[in-house]
Amino acid sequence: KNQVEQSPQSLIILEGKNCTLQCNYTVSPFSNLRWYKQDTGRGPVSLTIMTFSENTKSNGRYTATLDADTKQSSLHITASQLSDSASYICVVSAVDSSYKLIFGSGTRLLVRP
Amino acid sequence: GAVVSQHPSRVICKSGTSVKIECRSLDFQATTMFWYRQFPKQSLMLMATSNEGSKATYEQGVEKDKFLINHASLTLSTLTVTSAHPEDSSFYICSARSPRRANQETQYFGPGTRLLVL
Repeated sequence: KNQVEQSPQSLIILEGKNCTLQCNYTVSPFSNLRWYKQDTGRGPVSLTIMTFSENTKSNGRYTATLDADTKQSSLHITASQLSDSASYICVVSAVDSSYKLIFGSGTRLLVRP
Repeated sequence: GAVVSQHPSRVICKSGTSVKIECRSLDFQATTMFWYRQFPKQSLMLMATSNEGSKATYEQGVEKDKFLINHASLTLSTLTVTSAHPEDSSFYICSARSPRRANQETQYFGPGTRLLVL
């Protein structure tokens, strides 16, 4: 069964600190992995997307890594800001004709001053 | 990046009424649109896949007669919640897929519609 699991479920950090969010998946055949940021009451916004051959991708203070062998991904946030408080969702796409996305349950991040 | 809009952003209605939510791709043609529902503190749950000019494909457990989907053009899909009840209160999000960007970010999400049924 195709699944995406994220950890931790929630995280509280102080402003300026770094943090790393984890994502494990059992999606096959794998197409790509995406990280989204979702603010409360808003739709998800794409941060990064990586295909099988990509190991790392950055978007400003966000850096995602992908290990296709172990089927793990991480999202590292550097020098956190209050505006980083949101849910971060790991989403995996399989290679098929449906274009469906498989969503993780998300990590709720709270950045405190 | 590509922009997907939803209207209305929030709606409050009485139980038993029907509510229509629009999803538009503003700067690209979307052959496929998706409708999701999200309950508080949960992730998005796919309700249905909408292909332009054909019937929508519903996920298991989603009543197609209750959640009517119409994808009449390449830039517009609508979701109608018929005879809404309080348990239908949720956050509804659409996404649109652009076929020309096959190896890049292909699904763009709308900002969501908050539905509250009294």
